[in-house]
Amino acid sequence: DIQMTQSPSSLSASVGDTVTITCRAGHSVGTDLNWYQQKRGQAPKLLIYRASRLRTGVPSRFSGGGSGTDFTLRINSLQAEDFATYYCQQSHLIPLTFGGGTAVEIK
Amino acid sequence: EVQLVESGGALVKPGGSLRLSCTATGFTFTNAWMSWVRQAPGKGLEWVGRIKSKADGETNDYFGPVNGRFTISRDDSTKTIYLHMSRLLMEDTAVYYCATDWSGLAADMPMAVFDVWGRGTLVTVAS
Repeated sequence: DIQMTQSPSSLSASVGDTVTITCRAGHSVGTDLNWYQQKRGQAPKLLIYRASRLRTGVPSRFSGGGSGTDFTLRINSLQAEDFATYYCQQSHLIPLTFGGGTAVEIK
Repeated sequence: EVQLVESGGALVKPGGSLRLSCTATGFTFTNAWMSWVRQAPGKGLEWVGRIKSKADGETNDYFGPVNGRFTISRDDSTKTIYLHMSRLLMEDTAVYYCATDWSGLAADMPMAVFDVWGRGTLVTVAS
């Protein structure tokens, strides 16, 4: 199984800040890496697929990068509605696996 | 409107069985690959398994710990997938989400990207 490791597990930030979340795969996944946002009590929502492609309707302040084993999710100018937990997921090999999540909290 | 609605969650005793359903609207279901993803209370996301379209063989893939205990099936006439769970363990307690694994809604989106999600249904395994 491909283990996905996210860091940090949580962070505190203020509205307007830029935050970066990293995801490391235990094995190369090429660009088969996706990012999801989950707010408390809600289902996850796809933000980015193929490492850097923004899903239609997702604000452009979200961006993704990386390939192989190291990936980043960047949120520019953090908004109040962005406080949530973010997960990476590899779609390269079965079983599909998620990172442990990064909780973005209000400072 | 593109939507997935799960149902069937319940309290069940260890060793018991349960069947979850997920009904789709708003996209061409017959072409879709569908997955189940679960989330234990206060924990992260965990992929459970998937079913491919009939055109792609209607075959399944599963996460190791559920292989042999869980089975995913589909009924294209009712646009529904099912998660048949047996020999349930306390560690199977979770909210179970169905999600599109490939829906054709976005031209460049590959398989195994969970684009559309249901709201989830809670399964509690306890004595």
